[in-house]
Amino acid sequence: KTQVEQSPQSLVVRQGENCVLQCNYSVTPDNHLRWFKQDTGKGLVSLTVLVDQKDKTSNGRYSATLDKDAKHSTLHITATLLDDTATYICVVGDRGSALGRLHFGAGTQLIVIP
Amino acid sequence: DMKVTQMPRYLIKRMGENVLLECGQDMSHETMYWYRQDPGLGLQLIYISYDVDSNSEGDIPKGYRVSRKKREHFSLILDSAKTNQTSVYFCASSPQGRDNQAPLFGEGTRLSVL
Repeated sequence: KTQVEQSPQSLVVRQGENCVLQCNYSVTPDNHLRWFKQDTGKGLVSLTVLVDQKDKTSNGRYSATLDKDAKHSTLHITATLLDDTATYICVVGDRGSALGRLHFGAGTQLIVIP
Repeated sequence: DMKVTQMPRYLIKRMGENVLLECGQDMSHETMYWYRQDPGLGLQLIYISYDVDSNSEGDIPKGYRVSRKKREHFSLILDSAKTNQTSVYFCASSPQGRDNQAPLFGEGTRLSVL
């Protein structure tokens, strides 16, 4: 059973627009949640990590929220650029250390058009 | 330079042939992983290695084996490859003892088994 669900599956926006990606999960325990960016044909690159029960992070044009009570996270991308075209993957870790397991969503494919 | 290097990047094999995927990292990370990524699915853990000769099965180990004789190097072996092992394989590494440290991913090996 899929424990990390992402929506939408794909999204097309115009350059300069904002977008919001969603992640719902059922992983327990949920030590932390991380968002990765995966460019086509490349590996995963970490964007941000959320740890607290209700957490918010900001990394340039990327901002994210986590609500562990709702088991829900959002990734906001402001003023999208063509280089934001990628797959964004939500990952829930059940422990803080490398000894824990990571649970991956299938990703949201974002396409930014001129 | 912190990097996970995977070789080869692309590989075509016939069913029944043996396959060797190689992964190296230059950070002396104790923990290393092999994942596969298939369309519409999240990354699935094949094997995890906690250090030299300390390997554990992941969620989908059947048909795979691994070797870790040096901390910097982690190999994935497919004995008698099957067509359903066509996939993109990712190696990652992570340090132990540092909470919520993002794993570092290689750029993947795209394997086609004909």
